[in-house]
Parts: sequence; structure tokens; C-alpha cells
Amino acid sequence: SAVISQKPSRDICQRGTSLTIQCQVDSQVTMMFWYRQQPGQSLTLIATANQGSEATYESGFVIDKFPISRPNLTFSTLTVSNMSPEDSSIYLCSVGGTLYNEQFFGPGTRLTVL
Amino acid sequence: AQRVTQPEKLLSVFKGAPVELKCNYSYSGSPELFWYVQYSRQRLQLLLRHISRESIKGFTADLNKGETSFHLKKPFAQEEDSAMYYCALNNYGQNFVFGPGTRLSVLP
Repeated sequence: SAVISQKPSRDICQRGTSLTIQCQVDSQVTMMFWYRQQPGQSLTLIATANQGSEATYESGFVIDKFPISRPNLTFSTLTVSNMSPEDSSIYLCSVGGTLYNEQFFGPGTRLTVL
Repeated sequence: AQRVTQPEKLLSVFKGAPVELKCNYSYSGSPELFWYVQYSRQRLQLLLRHISRESIKGFTADLNKGETSFHLKKPFAQEEDSAMYYCALNNYGQNFVFGPGTRLSVLP
């Protein structure tokens, strides 16, 4: 399985500001995924990030709010823009397995918006 | 639309008792199903994949296409099994859908 790290691990931000979350993988992967886990809720896929193309967003998520970069096959960033308290969540990145279609997850970034 | 349901938000059992965490799905094709576990203050990690028909930490799960279920079972629960368990469905790389999760509490 891939080793995935995220920065920052947690942050407390003011309303109206933006935060960029970094995800680093120890191997080259085609697709990287970004999820949100709101307090007491399950995981919801935000978008799929492919290297060399625009990210594909799920229903209810838009690029202006959650811009994603994927500059190479081992790195991606997710920005949470113009934050409000409703954006307080854990944000996770994941990558697909090579043998089966499972996914492996990073440790998550716990975001609190005041 | 794809959907994964886990009817129990919380399941409490005594140590040594059998445990079954229920998962049902709705999907029009042939699904790929997984169980993920999240122990306290740890990252989400893969527990089981239906395609490999494995037993991990004493847990097994059988895909029942007739009942569209993928229940997770363990004959004798241990205290260290206490965690959040998520059932998940993969639409062959298009997207991943997670159930709401069940918190398992194994009492001494």
C-alpha cells in the first residue's frame, strides 16, 4: 500500500480566509481523491484529481470553492476557499490500490473555521 | 444511484460475543465492496475487500448479491475491535461511496 502524508494535520482558521492542504504520496499514482468528513458524518468524495487535466468534481462541489492542483504524479493540493464554519471538517486525500480497486487514505487534515 | 447503508450507528457487544455489522448496497452492476476501519486517533484503513475473500483480524464478510448485502462478522469480539467501521462501494474506479459508519463498542 502507498504511504500518504498530509499537511497540515490540523488548523484553525478565520471565516473568509482560505487554506491549502497538501497531499504527498510515496509512489506515482494516476488518480488522487479528496474527501470530506464532516463531524459525525461519513466520507463524501469532493473530487478526483488526475495529473495533467482538470479535476472532476462531484455533485455539490465546485472548483471555485475547492480548487485542486495536481502538478505531478505524487502530489496534490486542495484549497478550501472563502471558508465558513460549515467548512469545518476533516479533509482526506486517498489513492487507488494497484492490485484491487481499494483506496488508501492519508491521515487527514482537521479544519476548524471560527 | 449507488448507495450504501449501515443501519446501526452504534453496536455494543461484550467481549467474546459474536458481532455482525450490517451493510446493504444498491447498485445496478457488479459491485466491488470493502470494509474500512478507523481506530481512535488513527487514519482510515482498509480491513477487507470482498474480491479477495480474506479473513483479517478474525473478521470475514461475504457478498450476497441476492440480498445486496456485505455484512461484516467476527465470531468472538475483542476489546481492541472497538472502532468505527465503514462499508464502501467502488464503481470500478469511477467513484467510491461510503456508508454512514457503525461504531462498534466491545465491552469488557
